[in-house]
Amino acid sequence: DTAVSQTPKYLVTQMGNDKSIKCEQNLGHDTMYWYKQDSKKFLKIMFSYNNKELIINETVPNRFSPKSPDKAHLNLHINSLELGDSAVYFCATTGFGTGKHWGYTFGSGTRLTVV
Amino acid sequence: DAKTTQPTSMDCAEGRAANLPCNHSTISGNEYVYWYRQIHSQGPQYIIHGLKNNETNEMASLIITEDRKSSTLILPHATLRDTAVYYCIVRVGDSSYKLIFGSGTRLLVRP
Repeated sequence: DTAVSQTPKYLVTQMGNDKSIKCEQNLGHDTMYWYKQDSKKFLKIMFSYNNKELIINETVPNRFSPKSPDKAHLNLHINSLELGDSAVYFCATTGFGTGKHWGYTFGSGTRLTVV
Repeated sequence: DAKTTQPTSMDCAEGRAANLPCNHSTISGNEYVYWYRQIHSQGPQYIIHGLKNNETNEMASLIITEDRKSSTLILPHATLRDTAVYYCIVRVGDSSYKLIFGSGTRLLVRP
């Protein structure tokens, strides 16, 4: 039973298209995130939601719009895809869970390729 | 968040201890030291964290110097599956606080 699951795992699409990535967590955590890992392997935060409320928005182009329909889901919609959007996108959650720490649990990632 | 400095890469032999250093000389009193690792493009995985005292769990040990300006992650008996990029991160221990990843240390465990 995957704690943080992302779909799809791979996504290949053409420039200019609109696409969505979905994330679901079954940990009961309050806070969810989207991170982006580019071709140079740097991981950077994009957004954070706490109880469906946006709390972090890191100078991400407004073509990217996160949506949290409920505490267990955080989706990422991307309009007018560009070549530079190609990356691996990770969903993550934090909560006071196993080990009694505010540790992150990451999903396995969505590899987006824009052609 | 305080910045961290880690060696770019390290290697060790399988079965031996892997000691990964991290410098965080500007760490604040309320910042924890966290270690995560990323195995070949999988999602980063939590390893261990600490504030002042040394910590040990089933995965690793964390040694923090008395002045808290540096720490060492120890994998006591490294296996090939421990080959990964290891990130040392300092942050406030709060649920909504973002993680700032550096470039990490690429650990190669040799057979």
